[in-house]
Amino acid sequence: GQNIDQPTEMTATEGAIVQINCTYQTSGFNGLFWYQQHAGEAPTFLSYNVLDGLEEKGRFSSFLSRSKGYSYLLLKELQMKDSASYLCAVRGDDSNYQLIWGAGTKLIIKP
Amino acid sequence: DAMVIQNPRYQVTQFGKPVTLSCSQTLNHNVMYWYQQKSSQAPKLLFHYYDKDFNNEADTPDNFQSRRPNTSFCFLDIRSPGLGDAAMYLCATSKGLAGGPSYEQYFGPGTRLTVT
Repeated sequence: GQNIDQPTEMTATEGAIVQINCTYQTSGFNGLFWYQQHAGEAPTFLSYNVLDGLEEKGRFSSFLSRSKGYSYLLLKELQMKDSASYLCAVRGDDSNYQLIWGAGTKLIIKP
Repeated sequence: DAMVIQNPRYQVTQFGKPVTLSCSQTLNHNVMYWYQQKSSQAPKLLFHYYDKDFNNEADTPDNFQSRRPNTSFCFLDIRSPGLGDAAMYLCATSKGLAGGPSYEQYFGPGTRLTVT
């Protein structure tokens, strides 16, 4: 079967750094996406990794290791507005290249 | 601004009473998706259209139907809503189905469906 695992919830302090992990087991791999979803709102695209290594985009970075089936999202200089769920999604290799979604990690930022 | 629009944002329907949710896009994307998302769960893909080609997920109940009359609009019809169909329904679009960051999915704000 296909599976994506993320921690259910994490708590961090404003101004700090937090790392959200994602492990996946999928039949094929054509890229990994991270999305941010505020409560009651639609997911918004954060990052995309298809090759091993780190992709940096401002305060957010995403890392991928294909051999380990592992990714993480690193958030620096946390702000209160970063309180949201972070969803990891993997594009498989079926004919439609559909995304396989994790259930998301709810990140709570405390002052 | 190019975007994905969903109407209504909140919909209340009665058990068994048909309901239609709508989605429109100004991105001129080829692919439109409908997802169901329940609280603290992953979005569940119901079906997608590539242009006019309809693709149903194997586990999508027959109670859910979709129409795409043109590039810009896509509708989700729930023929006989049950209490278990209460959820957020997300419409998304993408340029295409291949890999690559330019094929990310853009989401609308969602319609929260309540079934009474």
